[in-house]
Amino acid sequence: DAGVIQSPRHEVTEMGQEVTLRCKPISGHNSLFWYRQTMMRGLELLIYFNNNVPIDDSGMPEDRFSAKMPNASFSTLKIQPSEPRDSAVYFCASRFRVTEAFFGQGTRLTVV
Amino acid sequence: GNSVTQMEGPVTLSEEAFLTINCTYTATGYPSLFWYVQYPGEGLQLLLKATKADDKGSNKGFEATYRKETTSFHLEKGSVQVSDSAVYFCALRENFNKFYFGSGTKLNVKP
Repeated sequence: DAGVIQSPRHEVTEMGQEVTLRCKPISGHNSLFWYRQTMMRGLELLIYFNNNVPIDDSGMPEDRFSAKMPNASFSTLKIQPSEPRDSAVYFCASRFRVTEAFFGQGTRLTVV
Repeated sequence: GNSVTQMEGPVTLSEEAFLTINCTYTATGYPSLFWYVQYPGEGLQLLLKATKADDKGSNKGFEATYRKETTSFHLEKGSVQVSDSAVYFCALRENFNKFYFGSGTKLNVKP
């Protein structure tokens, strides 16, 4: 298996623009997580899905952030409008039942 | 609530030195505990785990023992290598889904 696949690996955008990050979990995994990593705050859980249903989105910082999982093999994290403070590395991870989480390589987002 | 506290870094060691990275946790139930490692430019990878008290997780020379009495899961390695330089995250999972991560400890190993 290719592991968790995230795209793009790097994204540079201007403040105010919409940004969409994509994730393809490992086939057969039924839980998907979106994390944000910054120097200041470390690794933060933004939202997680179980069987494509959002279970806990309490980590989503504000209404500018939204996440969807239309099917078991795809999820998006959207920021609209983006701001410089959204600059971070965004990780997607997936898991099957009670196993450990497998992480993608991350998307490095820079908002200028 | 649930939380993980790990020692602040960076930790700088010479090759072949002994490594300890402290991790303590707070949980309302009976969590599973994990150590993840993040190499530069990559995502987190599972290093080892323990699912119940007194279990010892081990991998690649690293080990950690789940100590319920001290609510700790310290990471140790007897002889570190330059290739071990990375950021190490302690984490717990209490219910079936949610992970709680520590802030990460950067390890620098010098030749």
